[in-house]
Amino acid sequence: DAGVIQSPRHEVTEMGQEVTLRCKPISGHNSLFWYRQTMMRGLELLIYFNNNVPIDDSGMPEDRFSAKMPNASFSTLKIQPSEPRDSAVYFCASSFRSGAAGANVLTFGAGSRLTVL
Amino acid sequence: GNSVTQMEGPVTLSEEAFLTINCTYTATGYPSLFWYVQYPGEGLQLLLKATKADDKGSNKGFEATYRKETTSFHLEKGSVQVSDSAVYFCAGSARQLTFGSGTQLTVLP
Repeated sequence: DAGVIQSPRHEVTEMGQEVTLRCKPISGHNSLFWYRQTMMRGLELLIYFNNNVPIDDSGMPEDRFSAKMPNASFSTLKIQPSEPRDSAVYFCASSFRSGAAGANVLTFGAGSRLTVL
Repeated sequence: GNSVTQMEGPVTLSEEAFLTINCTYTATGYPSLFWYVQYPGEGLQLLLKATKADDKGSNKGFEATYRKETTSFHLEKGSVQVSDSAVYFCAGSARQLTFGSGTQLTVLP
């Protein structure tokens, strides 16, 4: 398996532009997570999906952020409009969660580094 | 709620030195505990895990023991290498995975 695939790896954009980050989870995994990493705040969970359904989006900063998972093999995180404070590395991770037993091991993608000028 | 507290960094060691990175957790119930490692420019990857009290996780010379009485999961390695330079994250999960703030380790030759 190629692991969790994220694109783009790097994105530089101007304030006000729309940004779309993409993620392909590991085949067979049923949970998908979006994290944001910054020096100031560390690793923050933005949203996670289970069986393509958003379960907890309480970490999404504000309405400018949205995430979708139209099928089991693809998810997007969109920022519209982008602002300089959104500059960060955004990670996608996936796992196989069985029942209510709790979180299993996460496999992370390599991340998308976003710079908003 | 659940929380994970790990030793503040950065930590700088000479090659072959002994490493300890402290991690404690608070949780309702008995969470699974993990150490993840992030090498420069990469995503986090699982280093080791323990799913119940007194379990010892180990990988690549690193070890951590799940101590219920002290609610700790300290990471140790007897002899670090330059290639161990990375950021180490402690994490715990009951239903959801909670990460600590990360500890930057630099190993000098």
